[in-house]
Amino acid sequence: DVKVTQSSRYLVKRTGEKVFLECVQDMDHENMFWYRQDPGLGLRLIYFSYDVKMKEKGDIPEGYSVSREKKERFSLILESASTNQTSMYLCASSQTVNSPLHFGNGTRLTVT
Amino acid sequence: DQQVKQNSPSLSVQEGRISILNCDYTNSMFDYFLWYKKYPAEGPTFLISISSIKDKNEDGRFTVFLNKSAKHLSLHIVPSQPGDSAVYFCAAKRLNAGNNRKLIWGLGTSLAVNP
Repeated sequence: DVKVTQSSRYLVKRTGEKVFLECVQDMDHENMFWYRQDPGLGLRLIYFSYDVKMKEKGDIPEGYSVSREKKERFSLILESASTNQTSMYLCASSQTVNSPLHFGNGTRLTVT
Repeated sequence: DQQVKQNSPSLSVQEGRISILNCDYTNSMFDYFLWYKKYPAEGPTFLISISSIKDKNEDGRFTVFLNKSAKHLSLHIVPSQPGDSAVYFCAAKRLNAGNNRKLIWGLGTSLAVNP
């Protein structure tokens, strides 16, 4: 079974802090994704990566950056956290460009 | 503009009965559809999918029906079990559009199966 592990289940950060959300997958998947989930807005894609050191913006990349130095690890970075970035963050991976996504259990981030 | 719509935010059914979750889409170019299930405090898990060349796909208690002319798909769960209580997301994409970056999600339907 594919395992996607997000390093923190809950995080509380202050406005202006730099925040790192880490995600690791153990199935050698090429593709990795970061989503945020908000009530009434569903899942929205922030960034995705289709190879090491490759990244592409999703639908809401503003205020975020990503890093993929190793195939198994995909990090989401909030350069200067703001309260409107309080959300559930979900990491996912997929074996091919069209195979189903495998999600981690999410990180609930609160920015105060 | 929501291209994938799940018009029922919630649904409640009795254990043993059929659950029918509905999903409508507006983009006629979508040719691949997926359903994901999400329990609280967990990430979504893939449940079942259907290609536009089919009108039905079945996997155990789960069946997805696709009506292309109506731009409508539905997920049937028979018989429903209390463990099926979760949020169900419908998602759609164009297979030849490149990759999962183009996956469009509905807002989800919360299913409660009562014992």
